[in-house]
Amino acid sequence: EVQLVESGGDLVKPGGSLRLSCAASGFTFSNAWMNWVRQAPGKGLEWVGRINTKTGGGTTDYAAPVKGRFTISRDDSKNTLYLQMNSLKTEDTAVYYCMSVLWGWGQGTLVTVSS
Amino acid sequence: EIVLTQSPGTLSLSPGERATLSCRASQSVNNNFLAWYQQKPGQAPRLLIYAASSRATGIPDRFSGSGSGTDFTLTISRLEPEDFAVYYCQQYGSSPLTFGQGTKVEIK
Repeated sequence: EVQLVESGGDLVKPGGSLRLSCAASGFTFSNAWMNWVRQAPGKGLEWVGRINTKTGGGTTDYAAPVKGRFTISRDDSKNTLYLQMNSLKTEDTAVYYCMSVLWGWGQGTLVTVSS
Repeated sequence: EIVLTQSPGTLSLSPGERATLSCRASQSVNNNFLAWYQQKPGQAPRLLIYAASSRATGIPDRFSGSGSGTDFTLTISRLEPEDFAVYYCQQYGSSPLTFGQGTKVEIK
């Protein structure tokens, strides 16, 4: 059974940092492009960024609102995806999902940025 | 950036009726890499269709996807009570990946 389990969501002050994790199982994680997607309260889905496979170069790309502040990485030995979020803003408040188009979505983790 | 426009914003239908949801792209979607997701309140989205017309594992055959280029459609042949939800399209053929704004299918 495919599982994606996010963790690390929390309440953080503007300007702060947070690292989210996503533990994957049930598929060959190292072969999968992985994405982070977020959903602000009551709003639609917003793509945050993605990371290629290591054999594909491990390259990343990001949505404009988070570029330069967020970093996606992966540890294939641990089947885990990460999202390092720096210089957080109130508008980053959302449920953050890790997802693979073919393998599905995690249940999400809530990040609240507020003073 | 490819902008995806979904229509209608809300679809009011009765169980047993046919639902037709549209997703129009501002430019051609590479390789027709267009997915459809269903989301219910408090839940993560669920993949229904990928590559425009391939049904995901475990998805009932009342869900079908069609289209290519810039115009895509999700059809639910006969609505079941559990199908009332919000549906999103997503293109994953080019970066940045983008989502449509969603179509809510509600009970009439």
